[in-house]
Amino acid sequence: DAGVIQSPRHEVTEMGQEVTLRCKPISGHNSLFWYRQTMMRGLELLIYFNNNVPIDDSGMPEDRFSAKMPNASFSTLKIQPSEPRDSAVYFCASSPRDRFNQPQHFGDGTRLSIL
Amino acid sequence: SQKIEQNSEALNIQEGKTATLTCNYTNYSPAYLQWYRQDPGRGPVFLLLIRENEKEKRKERLKVTFDTTLKQSLFHITASQPADSATYLCALDNFNKFYFGSGTKLNVKP
Repeated sequence: DAGVIQSPRHEVTEMGQEVTLRCKPISGHNSLFWYRQTMMRGLELLIYFNNNVPIDDSGMPEDRFSAKMPNASFSTLKIQPSEPRDSAVYFCASSPRDRFNQPQHFGDGTRLSIL
Repeated sequence: SQKIEQNSEALNIQEGKTATLTCNYTNYSPAYLQWYRQDPGRGPVFLLLIRENEKEKRKERLKVTFDTTLKQSLFHITASQPADSATYLCALDNFNKFYFGSGTKLNVKP
C-alpha cells in the first residue's frame, strides 16, 4: 500500500524565494496534517484539514505560510517569501477520520534549507 | 497550552532488558495519548494509542500505561533488541489541538 508521499525530499533555495511543498495523503483518509520539526522546537502542528477544509491554522507561524487542499488527494504548503529561520523538516500526515483519536500516518518529510 | 515532557537524555540499555520511557504532561488530561517511533531521516511511525479510561495497552513486546492522576504515560519495550534503537515520541490531543513531545532517544546495545 502506498503511504503518504511528499515531494521534494530535499529543497535548498535562497532567502526570498517561494517554496512549495507537496503532499499526497493515503487514499480514503479524511484528515491531513502539516508539521514542522526542528531541533529547538520539536514537532509542531502547523495546520490540519478535514475533508479538504482547513480546520485549525493557528500553528502557522506567519502570513508568509499558506496551505491548500484542492482535493482529497493533494495538498500544498507554501512559504513566500522564505527566510533562513524557515529551515526545518516539514512533514505531512494523514489519518482515517477527523479526530485526534486516530493514528497518524506520516510521510518521510521535506528537508528545507533556506540560505 | 499543553506542555509535554520527555527525557531529553538518551536512554542506553543492554539487549534483552526492558526499556521504560516516560511522558509527563501538564494541564488538561487528554482523551487519548499516542506513542510514535522515529528513525533518522524518516517520519514518525504510529505504535500505540491509549484512551484516558484505559490503564494499560499491550502490543507484542510493547506496553503503554496511562495514569491521569500522575499525568504520566510510561512506554515499555520488553526483551529489547538493537533494532528497537530509535527516538520515541509521545503525542496527545488538547482542546482540538495535537501536541508531540520532543522525544527520547533509545540506544539498545548488543
